Amino acid sequence: NAGVTQTPKFQVLKTGQSMTLQCAQDMNHNSMYWYRQDPGMGLRLIYYSASEGTTDKGEVPNGYNVSRLNKREFSLRLESAAPSQTSVYFCASRTDSFNQPQHFGDGTRLSIL
Amino acid sequence: QKEVEQNSGPLSVPEGAIASLNCTYSDRGSQSFFWYRQYSGKSPELIMFIYSNGDKEDGRFTAQLNKASQYVSLLIRDSQPSDSATYLCAVMDGTSYDKVIFGPGTSLSVIP
Repeated sequence: NAGVTQTPKFQVLKTGQSMTLQCAQDMNHNSMYWYRQDPGMGLRLIYYSASEGTTDKGEVPNGYNVSRLNKREFSLRLESAAPSQTSVYFCASRTDSFNQPQHFGDGTRLSIL
Repeated sequence: QKEVEQNSGPLSVPEGAIASLNCTYSDRGSQSFFWYRQYSGKSPELIMFIYSNGDKEDGRFTAQLNKASQYVSLLIRDSQPSDSATYLCAVMDGTSYDKVIFGPGTSLSVIP
């Protein structure tokens, strides 16, 4: 049972390059999320998607775009990477009952030089 | 901006003691609250969730919720070195029910 799968696990980019982080879940969850986590900090919500075809901004959306390709997949794109976007990125999913927790992927460690 | 705050760490407790982790939130409409544990270099894993005022117990863990005070806490009894991790409080937005906001986390160290 894969759960939430993120690819890649590690990536190094140069400033100005673009990249798409992939996330897929096999739990038939409606809601999916992208968070970033910086050293010593909690998770900050970038974007989320309550259902296929919908996306909403979170706390820190600037510099990112997302696509909810289908119910399973939710991708995060950096169009022009900046050193400030160096972080660990977590994807999560949950069913849409109010008391259900999120399930997290293993994270993508992204460094931008 | 709706906020979630946690007591600043790091928190150090001796093995066998009770660790107390606190979280406050700004959104009065929030109904669901989660505690996650995160080991260094790993993804968060669910410890407890609570949505009713009062206490909820699961083994050595007790979550406490006071909606009037906008306060949720996690108590860890008989702390073990394996409990050493960062604990994240997560709050479901009171209006956008799919939106979940995390606090900054509290680092706990259990000293043998």
